[in-house]
Amino acid sequence: NFMLSQPHSVAESPGKTVTISCTRSSGSIASNYVQWHQQRPGSSPTTVIYEDNQRPSGVPDRFSGSLDYSSKSASLTISGLKTEDEADYYCQSYGVFGGGTRLTVL
Amino acid sequence: EVQLVESGGGLVQPGGSLILSCSASGFLFSNYPMSWVRQAPGRGLEFVAGISRDSVMTYYADSVKGRFTIFRDNSKSTSYLQMSSLRTEDTAVYHCLKGVGNYLTLAVDYWGQGTLVTVSS
Repeated sequence: NFMLSQPHSVAESPGKTVTISCTRSSGSIASNYVQWHQQRPGSSPTTVIYEDNQRPSGVPDRFSGSLDYSSKSASLTISGLKTEDEADYYCQSYGVFGGGTRLTVL
Repeated sequence: EVQLVESGGGLVQPGGSLILSCSASGFLFSNYPMSWVRQAPGRGLEFVAGISRDSVMTYYADSVKGRFTIFRDNSKSTSYLQMSSLRTEDTAVYHCLKGVGNYLTLAVDYWGQGTLVTVSS
């Protein structure tokens, strides 16, 4: 089994761009699809990226996903930050979740 | 619009059993894998189980293997999670998720609101 490591927290200003990383402990990052899930305070999670870089219907194109094979990591990039983007973000690959990253938009 | 509605949660004693249901609508249920993910109070997310669209393949987290069973009824657009030998550490909100694609890759794109399971004496 492998683990997924995420930064505990990130902070950025409205209108800016932020990138959250997710590093796989063993095996290729491309071995299994990577998903990204957003969980706002007090709400259930929703998926913002599936299959590495696909957006579910209704998710704005400010959200994008990518892989970096050399660093065995996946990244979630959010551009044009809005206060409503403040949430916990979890990466997930096969049956493994990362520990989550708290995004603060200040 | 994809909708996933869980039911069946509640208070159960340690060692007890419970069956969760997930009623799906807004998509062709029989074409997609389905999964369950849980979140203990104040904790992160844990993948619990997944099932292929034809029920041939299943996935279980090590923490529930041998105690939980996932199954589905495509004629009713419903997936189920049968839980037995419940432990206090199984206390969590259980979410139903719609899978993506033809195979059980555990890629998911929609979540239900969840149902709370509390295991306590």
